[in-house]
Amino acid sequence: DAGVIQSPRHEVTEMGQEVTLRCKPISGHDYLFWYRQTMMQGLELLVYFNNKAVMDDSGMPKDRFSAKMPNASFSTLKIQPSEPRDSAVYFCASRPGPAAAEQYFGPGTRLTVT
Amino acid sequence: AQSVSQHNHHVILSEAASLELGCNYSYGGTVNLFWYVQYPGQHLQLLLKYFSGDPLVKGIKGFEAEFIKSKFSFNLRKPSVQWSDTAEYFCAVNRSSGAGSYQLTFGKGTKLSVIP
Repeated sequence: DAGVIQSPRHEVTEMGQEVTLRCKPISGHDYLFWYRQTMMQGLELLVYFNNKAVMDDSGMPKDRFSAKMPNASFSTLKIQPSEPRDSAVYFCASRPGPAAAEQYFGPGTRLTVT
Repeated sequence: AQSVSQHNHHVILSEAASLELGCNYSYGGTVNLFWYVQYPGQHLQLLLKYFSGDPLVKGIKGFEAEFIKSKFSFNLRKPSVQWSDTAEYFCAVNRSSGAGSYQLTFGKGTKLSVIP
């Protein structure tokens, strides 16, 4: 299995622009998570899906962030408009169903907003 | 909600020194515990996990962790570190069942620098 796939790996954009991050989970995994990693806050959970439905998006700033999972093998995290404080590494992770199973992380997207 | 605290922000060791990284969590119920490692520029990888049974868990690359329920702790250990262990280490916890059981809560991480 190729693991969790994320694209792009690096993104540099100007403030105010729209940014779309993409994730392909491991096949058969029912849960998909989006995290943001910064030096100050560490790893923060933004949103997670179960069988394509949003289960919890309380960690996501909803005025500018939106997350979708149109099918079992693809998810997007969109930021519009982007701001410099959004600069971070965004990780996608997936896991199979049982609560005890670990999450498998993708390589991350390093976002820089200037 | 559960929380995880990692006591050390940055640890610097010489090669062959012993390592212990502290992790404490706050949650009164049954939990699953994890240690992840992030090598420079890479994604998080699982080092080891505890679900139940023997509280001493062995993971990859010679790492082990001990779950002490009375202390709400899950400290990571390695008897002799190598330069290649230079990385950031994250402790994480999720509830074994019930609402929120699928969400991992991470500590802020401990950066380990091993000097050759």
